[in-house]
Parts: sequence; structure tokens; C-alpha cells
Amino acid sequence: DAKTTQPPSMDCAEGRAANLPCNHSTISGNEYVYWYRQIHSQGPQYIIHGLKNNETNEMASLIITEDRKSSTLILPHATLRDTAVYYCIVRAGNQFYFGTGTSLTVIP
Amino acid sequence: DTEVTQTPKHLVMGMTNKKSLKCEQHMGHRAMYWYKQKAKKPPELMFVYSYEKLSINESVPSRFSPECPNSSLLNLHLHALQPEDSALYLCASSHGYREEAFFGQGTRLTVV
Repeated sequence: DAKTTQPPSMDCAEGRAANLPCNHSTISGNEYVYWYRQIHSQGPQYIIHGLKNNETNEMASLIITEDRKSSTLILPHATLRDTAVYYCIVRAGNQFYFGTGTSLTVIP
Repeated sequence: DTEVTQTPKHLVMGMTNKKSLKCEQHMGHRAMYWYKQKAKKPPELMFVYSYEKLSINESVPSRFSPECPNSSLLNLHLHALQPEDSALYLCASSHGYREEAFFGQGTRLTVV
């Protein structure tokens, strides 16, 4: 399974866009990039996923580089409730392994 | 219904006890997962069931025994645990790897 590398922590001002990077340089062609977040020991919450095209939903946008070796999760207008640990996951089949994640703090 | 329900929410057990954690979903998902999460660490995959058969066991000690009695239910039987097994135990389910996995809220286990 491919591994992911994320910065351990980031800050973002409330109302601004939060851009969370993830490196997955060993990703294989059939592996998807997933993003989850976890707020204070609740169950992880799904955000978005993609294979090679950029994706957008009501929560966020996912930008995947053309070589697929890295991606960026964008929260367009961060709120205080977006303070959480964000996990980037490369998934092949039922192998669903979490990386170390980024602790995002949204500052008022 | 997009919920994964885990019971109990909290459990305190002695090292000689036998207890079980339960996970239930009614989304028709055929893959179900158990994770263990220690404080300030990411979830660690323990077991994966696919179509009610164990497909992944991440070298978990035998004091943890999973069971999938049917496609909606996943159990984790606990016996002779150690205090270091205290953690948040998370269950998840998914339809396939092209679709998201849904997580339960976890069982907070304390071994005394």
C-alpha cells in the first residue's frame, strides 16, 4: 500500500481557504486518494475522494497533480468547526490505511 | 440510513474478563473493518471482512477475535486483554473501494 506524507499541523484564518497538502509518491495506477477528518475522537468523517481528476463536492475540492504523486484538499471558506485532524489515505481495494494526518486549527 | 452503529459506547473491563464489541450497518455494504486508535495517533487497521470472510488480519494478537455472523453485523470478541489495549475501537463499512467507507463513533475501551 502506498504511504502518504502530510504536515503535522497547520493554521488557517476563519473565512479563508485552507489548503492541505499530501504527498503519495508511490501511488499505483488503481489506487484512489481519499480524505477524511476526525474531530476530537469521534469517528472519521468522509470528505472527498478521487482517482486522477480533480473533484469537488459541497464540503471541499480535491486537486490531484497530473503525475498523481501529490494532492491538495481545499476547504474554500474555513470555519471554526473545521478544526480537526485531516487524513489523506491512498486506498487499494479493502486496504485502507491512515497516515499520520494534519491537525488543522482554524483561528478566529 | 448511512449509519454504522457501534455498541457499547464505553466499556471498562478487567484483564480476566471476556467482552464483545458490536458493529452494525444496514447499507448493504459487503466490506467491514475494525480499527484501533490510541490517543493522538491515527487509526490502525486490525481486520477486514469481505463478503463475510476474513480477508485481512494485520497480525493482531489472538486475544482479539473478530466474527462476522452476517453481512450486517461485525463483532470483536475480547479476552485476557492488557491495559495497553485501552483505546478507541472503530468499525467501518464500505460497498467497494471506489466508494467511501462509513465509520461508527467507536467504543472507548478501558482495560483495568
